This record gives sequence, structure tokens and C-alpha cells, in this order.
Amino acid sequence: DGGITQSPKYLFRKEGQNVTLSCEQNLNHDAMYWYRQDPGQGLRLIYYSQIVNDFQKGDIAEGYSVSREKKESFPLTVTSAQKNPTAFYLCASSIQLAVVYNEQFFGPGTRLTVL
Amino acid sequence: AQKVTQAQTEISVVEKEDVTLDCVYETRDTTYYLFWYKQPPSGELVFLIRRNSFDEQNEISGRYSWNFQKSTSSFNFTITASQVVDSAVYFCALSDEGAGNMLTFGGGTRLMVKP
Repeated sequence: DGGITQSPKYLFRKEGQNVTLSCEQNLNHDAMYWYRQDPGQGLRLIYYSQIVNDFQKGDIAEGYSVSREKKESFPLTVTSAQKNPTAFYLCASSIQLAVVYNEQFFGPGTRLTVL
Repeated sequence: AQKVTQAQTEISVVEKEDVTLDCVYETRDTTYYLFWYKQPPSGELVFLIRRNSFDEQNEISGRYSWNFQKSTSSFNFTITASQVVDSAVYFCALSDEGAGNMLTFGGGTRLMVKP
């Protein structure tokens, strides 16, 4: 089945540790995105990538890093510099960013808790 | 600037009632797309509908219907004869060239359908 997978579903981290969230898609989409969602809040864009080996900061990129070495993979690292990392993280993809009908498909999310 | 407002943060109805979720948007572009997503308790965002700015026809899909009115910059979503399974957070989103075709999300409306 085509879709987006995120792992793990739940992640616990000690303060001061870096942690990497996985996102894989087999939809052959060029564009991929990472969002953060806090309880009772909407989605905020962390990073996005239009194509392999390219990525751009979103609205709240501080304390996060990404890579896009393969078309199907867009991992997100939450670094120790992120002051309040406990949140729900959603990965998404779309065919390409160059078109305005930019329907995004979402993964199941990773819930990160800092202990 | 692009903006999507969902003024209703939380709505509670009893099963079989009709309910309308409001969405008001702002954009300077003449070409844009509007979306609705559903986020059930599992967390994954599920795409419901996409509508372009040149198509003001209302759309109906089973118990779901959407009313797009450019004159009031609104794209409202109605669920007829609501069911408990409709309980979720619903997001309205806008995509336009002014924002680089990125999705701008509203804050979401939490719908609770009680039996």
C-alpha cells in the first residue's frame, strides 16, 4: 500500500539527548514536510524539502535539523537545543511544491515526551 | 498575508444532530485552493476535500457537505446526522502562490458527538 510511515509511534527522551524521528514515503512525492502540534493547537511547520538534498526552514526550525538524502526519506532530529520538545510530530508529503493544488498526505505521527 | 480562522475551538452535539464548522480565510491571490482535513483521536490527518477558487459549487459527499462563498471568504463544512465516529479535530487549510504553495492551517475545531 502507498503511504507515509513514521516511527516510532511513541518516543521518550531524557533532557539533553538528541533524538531522530523517522519518516518514509512510497508515494514518489518530491516534497516532504515536518509539523509540530501541541495539545489543543494547530499545526506549525518545522522544515520542508522540495527535492532531494534540499530543505528549508519553516516557522519554528530552531532546535531541529533534517536531512533529505533519499527521495523517500526525511528524518527529523530534535536536538538538545530545542527547549520544549514534548509534542506530537507529523510528517507529510505532496507531489511537488511548485503547484498550488498542494494536497498533503500525512503520516500517523510520533508523540515525543521529554522526561 | 495568508490566514485561516476557525473561530469555533470546540463544538459538542448529540448524535443525529447537524453541525456546521466554520472556516474563514484571507488571501490576496486570485488562484488558491482550500482544504479540509480530519484528525481522529489516532492523530493522523485525513484529507477530506480540496476546492479551487474558481469553483463555487457546493459539494456533497454522503453526510458531508461544503459551502464555499468567495463573497464572504468562507468555506464551511456541514455534517448531517452526526455520528459518534465523527468526533475528531477538523482543520481547514489554504494553499496559494503568495505563500509558496505551502498550506496555511486554521487552528482546528474539536467536534464531540455524544451518543
